[in-house]
Amino acid sequence: QKEVEQNSGPLSVPEGAIASLNCTYSDRVSQSFFWYRQYSGKSPELIMSIYSNGDKEDGRFTAQLNKASQYVSLLIRDSQPSDSATYLCAGYNTNAGKSTFGDGTTLTVKP
Amino acid sequence: NAGVTQTPKFQVLKTGQSMTLQCAQDMNHNSMYWYRQDPGMGLRLIYYSASEGTTDKGEVPNGYNVSRLNKREFSLRLESAAPSQTSVYFCASSDTFSNEKLFFGSGTQLSVL
Repeated sequence: QKEVEQNSGPLSVPEGAIASLNCTYSDRVSQSFFWYRQYSGKSPELIMSIYSNGDKEDGRFTAQLNKASQYVSLLIRDSQPSDSATYLCAGYNTNAGKSTFGDGTTLTVKP
Repeated sequence: NAGVTQTPKFQVLKTGQSMTLQCAQDMNHNSMYWYRQDPGMGLRLIYYSASEGTTDKGEVPNGYNVSRLNKREFSLRLESAAPSQTSVYFCASSDTFSNEKLFFGSGTQLSVL
């Protein structure tokens, strides 16, 4: 099993809808989780981090972590065409001292 | 504030040639990383440096070497390039070893013919 797995996508939603991106992880990744957004041809940029069970909201973005189910998600409310990008889920293992990334989910928001 | 600066942005090599990718950060970060990204795939860690003077292998270290020259600079060397090393390379840094929010450079598109 890969350490971090994401829905393969691609995901397409209409403008104004909620986009839901999902990620599962193995026992080897257990401390902190991050969502990075990567526009085509650009480098990843951090948009959300979550460290404890529950929800964390930042504007239109909500990250959800369920450690019992080893599940992390990112919800984007009121999706905009500018949200069209690849979203990378990453899990950080403090013992190993490094992050492991999923393969990414490409989101397209259609006007 | 430049953040993380990588050079070059593009490079074409012939099989067997060598080259060094340069990376520098001006955020006083302790940890630095080299990732590669292949089409449709996430980021795979090549090497990382938790602090000045230390380096460790990541998931895909074969064919690469690194040097943490000082706190600011972390270089990646391909001694004998192979077509399988065609990829986009990203350098990243983070502020402490136990709080890995990564800040990325703009990337290097490398093609090995």
